[in-house]
Amino acid sequence: EVQLMESGGGLVQTGGSLRLSCAASGFIFSRYAMTWVRQAPGKGLEWVSTFGGNGDITYYADSVKGRFTISRDNSKNTLYLQMNTLRAEDTAVYYCAKGLSKYSSSSIDYWGQGTLVTVSS
Amino acid sequence: QSVLTQPPSASGTPGQRVTISCSGSSSNIGINTVNWYQQLPGTAPKLLIYSVNQRPSGVPDRFSGSKSGTSASLAISGLQSEDEADYYCAAWDDSLNGRVFGGGTKLTVL
Repeated sequence: EVQLMESGGGLVQTGGSLRLSCAASGFIFSRYAMTWVRQAPGKGLEWVSTFGGNGDITYYADSVKGRFTISRDNSKNTLYLQMNTLRAEDTAVYYCAKGLSKYSSSSIDYWGQGTLVTVSS
Repeated sequence: QSVLTQPPSASGTPGQRVTISCSGSSSNIGINTVNWYQQLPGTAPKLLIYSVNQRPSGVPDRFSGSKSGTSASLAISGLQSEDEADYYCAAWDDSLNGRVFGGGTKLTVL
């Protein structure tokens, strides 16, 4: 059974940093693209970043480019999101999600339960 | 403003058939596969349809997807009260080099 467990969320001040983790199990982690998607309170889904499963290919939404860094440790079956220079508009539930294949463009088929990040001054 | 356009709301009575549209462009729906997600209140999204019209195991065949040009649709037949949820379409966008979502459609079962 595929399981994705996010951690690391919390309350942080504007301009601060936070690192999210996503522990994966139930599939061969290294073979799949992994993605972060966020959802601001009462709003829709917003794609944040994707790390391909076929090398060091990463993609970022313009809204986070230069501030967030996605990484993965295949030996630990863990996906990360380092978030720097946080802004109030980054406040959201952050979901870790698995792709259907190694390709970054492949569909997301499983989602974690999410971790809440609140950025406040 | 979302790259993919969905109606903000839809409704139907039990047993009815409802459709939700998703409009995109030549850089996303026009050339890439479309997915649909269901999000029940307070829960994570769940994959409903992938590759335009494929259902993961466990998803009832009441749910179906289609695509024509740069638009896609999700159809729900035999509407049930437990179908009341938010529905999102999604696709990869080759111009943006990223995944794009629709703004979501809140489905109400009257």
